[in-house]
Amino acid sequence: ELKVEQNPLFLSMQEGKNYTIYCNYSTTSDRLYWYRQDPGKSLESLFVLLSNGAVKQEGRLMASLDTKARLSTLHITAAVHDLSATYFCAVVKGALGGAQKLVFGQGTRLTINP
Amino acid sequence: GAVVSQHPSWVICKSGTSVKIECRSLDFQATTMFWYRQFPKQSLMLMATSNEGSKATYEQGVEKDKFLINHASLTLSTLTVTSAHPEDSSFYICSARDQDRGLIMGNQPQHFGDGTRLSIL
Repeated sequence: ELKVEQNPLFLSMQEGKNYTIYCNYSTTSDRLYWYRQDPGKSLESLFVLLSNGAVKQEGRLMASLDTKARLSTLHITAAVHDLSATYFCAVVKGALGGAQKLVFGQGTRLTINP
Repeated sequence: GAVVSQHPSWVICKSGTSVKIECRSLDFQATTMFWYRQFPKQSLMLMATSNEGSKATYEQGVEKDKFLINHASLTLSTLTVTSAHPEDSSFYICSARDQDRGLIMGNQPQHFGDGTRLSIL
């Protein structure tokens, strides 16, 4: 059974600081997604990581994937208040073109204080 | 970009009422849609996979007779919560997979609706 675990679950940090959120998964997968969720809202897609060593960056967020370690990281650089949200990683279970589903991590609630 | 419309966004109703939630893919065809439930401060849990023209595939522990799914066209899936009770109160989110575009791009992304907040009194 595929399990996805995020760490930490809660994170409070000051503006301007750097931090990393970790996402571990238990079985092989060919795709990993990162999403952002604001309170009361649905999911906003941030990144899709398709291969070992993949790195993607958008603004102050950078995501990477190590398929051998079954680990993805979401790194926040020089955090700003607008990045406060809950961040989810999700791993695809199933093969491309076949029956697939997303398995989500527990989420990391990030609060950035001025 | 791909858009998924979910309606209604908020429902408050009495216990025992049945509630229907619609999920539409607006600019692409979706043979597969997904229904998730999210309780406060928790993650998304997949309830079922909705397949156009065939029966939905339910996750373990999800009552088929309580959560009726119909996917009659390539752009519409509906979730009906039958005889809803307070414990069914939750945030329900649908997603649709852009299968054709995804196969070309190699990632088959899911596009999420805005969610429906269901409150049963």
